[in-house]
Amino acid sequence: GAGVSQSPRYKVAKRGQDVALRCDPISGHVSLFWYQQALGQGPEFLTYFQNEAQLDKSGLPSDRFFAERPEGSVSTLKIQRTQQEDSAVYLCASSPFSRTGNSGANVLTFGAGSRLTVL
Amino acid sequence: AQSVSQHNHHVILSEAASLELGCNYSYGGTVNLFWYVQYPGQHLQLLLKYFSGDPLVKGIKGFEAEFIKSKFSFNLRKPSVQWSDTAEYFCAVLNTNAGKSTFGDGTTLTVKP
Repeated sequence: GAGVSQSPRYKVAKRGQDVALRCDPISGHVSLFWYQQALGQGPEFLTYFQNEAQLDKSGLPSDRFFAERPEGSVSTLKIQRTQQEDSAVYLCASSPFSRTGNSGANVLTFGAGSRLTVL
Repeated sequence: AQSVSQHNHHVILSEAASLELGCNYSYGGTVNLFWYVQYPGQHLQLLLKYFSGDPLVKGIKGFEAEFIKSKFSFNLRKPSVQWSDTAEYFCAVLNTNAGKSTFGDGTTLTVKP
């Protein structure tokens, strides 16, 4: 597609519910990133895929958070047993970046984000 | 671990005033540097980027930034702001070895007409 598409745009969950957030990156983009943005703060890194391989998941705050990109395109971020502190905007970004590529491919294209509110 | 510090959380200017937003980062290796902007109701988007070469880079809408390696800084400037520049501005540093970008907490710029 023309841009990075995220769904749902808004999600309200009761504490303890599981949620799944979807990201459809720009076609052909190798790298896909998930960030969490709390109110008044910058995006915080969660995890990063290169094609279907999850290269870095050091930012996932707990084992309740799980991300996958099984076919190297669409990615899903799953949060199990949601807590109030999980309330945030979850941003997905993609880039053509590859470790063997050139620096010009490192620009992130962001989606609109999924705003999660846990009650 | 790398970190990014943006010194101003909220800046309020009148139209035609000059702008400088500070950004410092804490990583000594090879980095790519970015400023992203988020206009009200829109996605985060690239404003300008530095990879190598001339440390003074120019972006869209008359913005520029200067990379000063010795100061680990990448400050954003614009000589004369417009009301339409009202937005949130984020500085980001990409660690090319790790492959991921670290963002500052952002600066909200409000330009009064």
